[in-house]
Amino acid sequence: DAGITQSPRHKVTETGTPVTLRCHQTENHRYMYWYRQDPGHGLRLIHYSYGVKDTDKGEVSDGYSVSRSKTEDFLLTLESATSSQTSVYFCALSDRADTGELFFGEGSRLTVL
Amino acid sequence: KQEVTQIPAALSVPEGENLVLNCSFTDSAIYNLQWFRQDPGKGLTSLLLIQSSQREQTSGRLNASLDKSSGRSTLYIAASQPGDSATYLCAVRSNSGAGSYQLTFGKGTKLSVIP
Repeated sequence: DAGITQSPRHKVTETGTPVTLRCHQTENHRYMYWYRQDPGHGLRLIHYSYGVKDTDKGEVSDGYSVSRSKTEDFLLTLESATSSQTSVYFCALSDRADTGELFFGEGSRLTVL
Repeated sequence: KQEVTQIPAALSVPEGENLVLNCSFTDSAIYNLQWFRQDPGKGLTSLLLIQSSQREQTSGRLNASLDKSSGRSTLYIAASQPGDSATYLCAVRSNSGAGSYQLTFGKGTKLSVIP
């Protein structure tokens, strides 16, 4: 299995506070992704990165920002958390954008009160 | 826009049965298809990856097939065990334009294997 570590694994926060989730990899894979998983919606892509400082939006990017200053770290930030952002967040990575196998982290469960 | 469907949403079988999980997709112009397993409260574990040029992949008791022309993939599990109980998801990678590639997930089939 790919070495992917997400932190924190669980977080409870209040509406309006900023939250940062971290994804750390030891595989030196170029492509990193942030997904959210919600009942009834399945997995949806928030943002992805195709290299250091190279990021792009996914289908549900509103209210989220990302940064990638090093190959191994991909940060997801909720500038001002809302209850609709309560979800389980998964980081994933791949060595190729077209044919690469996707590997997932264990997830970060975020509750916004 | 690519759409991925997994039917049924839930399946319950007695231990020892062979079973088939289905995945269908609307756009046959795919790069690959990947099957995952997800246990409750856990991340997704990759089971099998089938590239567009391949027809099937095997790993232990699992066999996945791909028929691009009909937009279908099946995951065959032989001699099911209670430990196989989990949600199984398929995901299809397509070209979403402008040099980017999109992975579209099905909503999964929740499998219960009864001892």
